[in-house]
Amino acid sequence: EIVMTQSPATLSVSPGERATLSCRASQSLSSNLAWYRQKPGQPPSLLIYGASTRATGIPARFSGSGSGTEFTLTISSLQSEDFEVYYCQQYDKWPLTFGGGTKVEIK
Amino acid sequence: EVQLLESGGGLVRPGGSLRLSCAASGFTFSSYAMSWVRQAPGKGLEWVSDISGNDFSTHYADSVNGRFTISRDNSKDTLYLQMNSLRAEDTALYYCAKRTGNYGGNFDQWGQGTLLTVSS
Repeated sequence: EIVMTQSPATLSVSPGERATLSCRASQSLSSNLAWYRQKPGQPPSLLIYGASTRATGIPARFSGSGSGTEFTLTISSLQSEDFEVYYCQQYDKWPLTFGGGTKVEIK
Repeated sequence: EVQLLESGGGLVRPGGSLRLSCAASGFTFSSYAMSWVRQAPGKGLEWVSDISGNDFSTHYADSVNGRFTISRDNSKDTLYLQMNSLRAEDTALYYCAKRTGNYGGNFDQWGQGTLLTVSS
């Protein structure tokens, strides 16, 4: 099983600042890595797929990068609606696995 | 507009059974793999099971293998999850999620979820 480890668990950032979220895989992946966001009481929604491609309607302040075992989600300038939980997920090998999540909170 | 509507959740005693359903609309259901993903209260996301679009090949997480069975009825655009030998640790909000391909891909659409509580 590919274990996905996200860090930090909680990230405190001021609005307008940059946020960098990390996701590490226990084995090398192809580019089959996605990022999702989730607000309390809502289902997750897709942000990034293929490690770096923004999903439809996702603003340019979100960017994904990385390869192999190290992946990063960057939010260039945090808006009020961006304070939520972010998950990475690999869809390269069975079983599909998610990281434990990073909660982005207001500093 | 893609819609996924889960149903069938509820309160079940340990050892009991339940079947979840997910009614899909707004896309060609048979062309896409579908998964169940669960989220225990206050916890992260856990993938449970997946079924391909038209040859119905299935995969399961180790935690549910042998107890849960995923299936689909492409004539009814509906996904199912039969859950047997339920345990307290199966308590979670169960989401159905559409994948972007017939056999794989990321999740691009999610339902609102249906809550399963396993308790005596």
